[in-house]
Amino acid sequence: DAGVTQSPTHLIKTRGQQVTLRCSPKSGHDTVSWYQQALGQGPQFIFQYYEEEERQRGNFPDRFSGHQFPNYSSELNVNALLLGDSALYLCASSPGTAGGTDTQYFGPGTRLTVL
Amino acid sequence: EDQVTQSPEALRLQEGESSSLNCSYTVSGLRGLFWYRQDPGKGPEFLFTLYSAGEEKEKERLKATLTKKESFLHITAPKPEDSATYLCAVRSGGSYIPTFGRGTSLIVHP
Repeated sequence: DAGVTQSPTHLIKTRGQQVTLRCSPKSGHDTVSWYQQALGQGPQFIFQYYEEEERQRGNFPDRFSGHQFPNYSSELNVNALLLGDSALYLCASSPGTAGGTDTQYFGPGTRLTVL
Repeated sequence: EDQVTQSPEALRLQEGESSSLNCSYTVSGLRGLFWYRQDPGKGPEFLFTLYSAGEEKEKERLKATLTKKESFLHITAPKPEDSATYLCAVRSGGSYIPTFGRGTSLIVHP
């Protein structure tokens, strides 16, 4: 079992650009959540996808959007990048039948740096 | 609004020196309290889920306990490889959104 995988590992962008991050969930999991983790902080919930729809969203602006594909993989898109978007972006998967977050498995993250 | 406070922010121990990490929480209807371990630059690794006061779970040198207001992560005879940031998170009824604390950074010296 490969576990949760994310790509790319690292990414450097400039202000105003757009970025797409990718996530493949753990085998057997159909729910994907995205988090932003700033240095020295706990992860902040961005949104969760289940059955290809956004099930719940955290307190993030519309510049943050996502998508889930039929194979349960997911993308996180961020438009009009700001310096404050620099962070570790984490993807977590879980079995949807458990309510979405009872047992979450995180990927290694994508380190985004905005210059 | 759910709140999670972890203490201490940082903890330095000698190998073999047992201690406890604290997670205090405020939620409206606890649906689950979660402990994770996170190594630098990596994603959190799931450790435990606790659902009700009085519940305890163990894994190797770690033991998590839960009361109505806080959870403790007890580390018995820690080793240098236990060095990591330990994160606590809670989920309240009706929400899929877990609220994380800022974590406790643990360093175990040989």
